[in-house]
Amino acid sequence: KQEVTQIPAALSVPEGENLVLNCSFTDSAIYNLQWFRQDPGKGLTSLLLIQSSQREQTSGRLNASLDKSSGRSTLYIAASQPGDSATYLCAVFTGGGNKLTFGTGTQLKVEL
Amino acid sequence: EAGVVQSPRYKIIEKKQPVAFWCNPISGHNTLYWYLQNLGQGPELLIRYENEEAVDDSQLPKDRFSAERLKGVDSTLKIQPAELGDSAVYLCASSYGQGDEQYFGPGTRLTVT
Repeated sequence: KQEVTQIPAALSVPEGENLVLNCSFTDSAIYNLQWFRQDPGKGLTSLLLIQSSQREQTSGRLNASLDKSSGRSTLYIAASQPGDSATYLCAVFTGGGNKLTFGTGTQLKVEL
Repeated sequence: EAGVVQSPRYKIIEKKQPVAFWCNPISGHNTLYWYLQNLGQGPELLIRYENEEAVDDSQLPKDRFSAERLKGVDSTLKIQPAELGDSAVYLCASSYGQGDEQYFGPGTRLTVT
């Protein structure tokens, strides 16, 4: 059974800092990995999707990397802003894309 | 392009009452998912549809939960009767196909009293 862990569970940083969120998974036979953002009381917003054959994906100030062999992904946020405050969730597709397993998220707060 | 639409956004019911949630996926998306999210946890899959066929309902508590996607577009998730432990956020998501990027609706927050 695939298990996804995110560390840290919560993070508070000053504005402008570069930061890294970590995601690890137990079954390396993944189809792809997706990073989401969730604001309080809202649904999930897709940030980046990395196919199993890719090493990284970039979108604006976000960069996600994937190391399938070690079962790890990182989400790098450059020059953090207060608007980046949210919960960030990592999810992995296994079983040929049949099942998406989520981590419990990292709650990020970027302070002025 | 409109996103995934869900209604209602909030629902408060007494235990043992029935409740239904509705989802309209993004146009052209064949795959539809219902997830349950408890506070402080990631979403957990309840059921996945490919067009009108439920292809994965292994996590759906079938004694009280049911779902349908009759014409392969909109979907309804029903709970009857609701229990206190069903209080959670119910999320609907859609994608072009299995394994493709998923797009989520805003969710329905259910409170059972």
